[in-house]
Amino acid sequence: GAVVSQHPSWVICKSGTSVKIECRSLDFQATTMFWYRQFPKQSLMLMATSNEGSKATYEQGVEKDKFLINHASLTLSTLTVTSAHPEDSSFYICSVGEGAGGDTQYFGPGTRLTVL
Amino acid sequence: SQQGEEDPQALSIQEGENATMNCSYKTSINNLQWYRQNSGRGLVHLILIRSNEREKHSGRLRVTLDTSKKSSSLLITASRAADTASYFCATVRTPGYSTLTFGKGTMLLVSP
Repeated sequence: GAVVSQHPSWVICKSGTSVKIECRSLDFQATTMFWYRQFPKQSLMLMATSNEGSKATYEQGVEKDKFLINHASLTLSTLTVTSAHPEDSSFYICSVGEGAGGDTQYFGPGTRLTVL
Repeated sequence: SQQGEEDPQALSIQEGENATMNCSYKTSINNLQWYRQNSGRGLVHLILIRSNEREKHSGRLRVTLDTSKKSSSLLITASRAADTASYFCATVRTPGYSTLTFGKGTMLLVSP
């Protein structure tokens, strides 16, 4: 399966600042990547589907102007949390779709964001 | 939105015992997948079962699917302390589209 990395693995920032999280597919050309958010002891909630070279598709209730997604290449998607607030503190996980009609996703290790 | 519900929410067993986790879902599906998540880490894909399959095995894992009851179970046999993790079921509605809808998960603790 695909190997997916995320950077940084954890970040602490002040309220009002913006934070960029990178998701890289190391050995697989990913036309589709997914961004999830996970609060403590809860399940993953899909935030958006990122398609290479086009605009991301956001899930209902996710503010696209707050969570900016860029998928400029087949190996990199970025999620920028703009004007972060403490309620944005969460575990953000990206995944790569298997592609070619496959249904499996390969997940990155996640990024822990803490907003003070 | 959440598709499924896992039960139990938490399960504590001794090494060597079997662990059974259940998942229910609400809509029709193309396939159902089980993932494992160690604390503070990403998810690892365990097994996929398609809607036309009833049972699947992979090592110590056994998954069943009952589409009439919209439910699935994951059995881990001869559990080990290293199996301690959260387990999530996830459903795919449209084949090849890859969008996963996750259940709430079961936290499994295997004590030595």
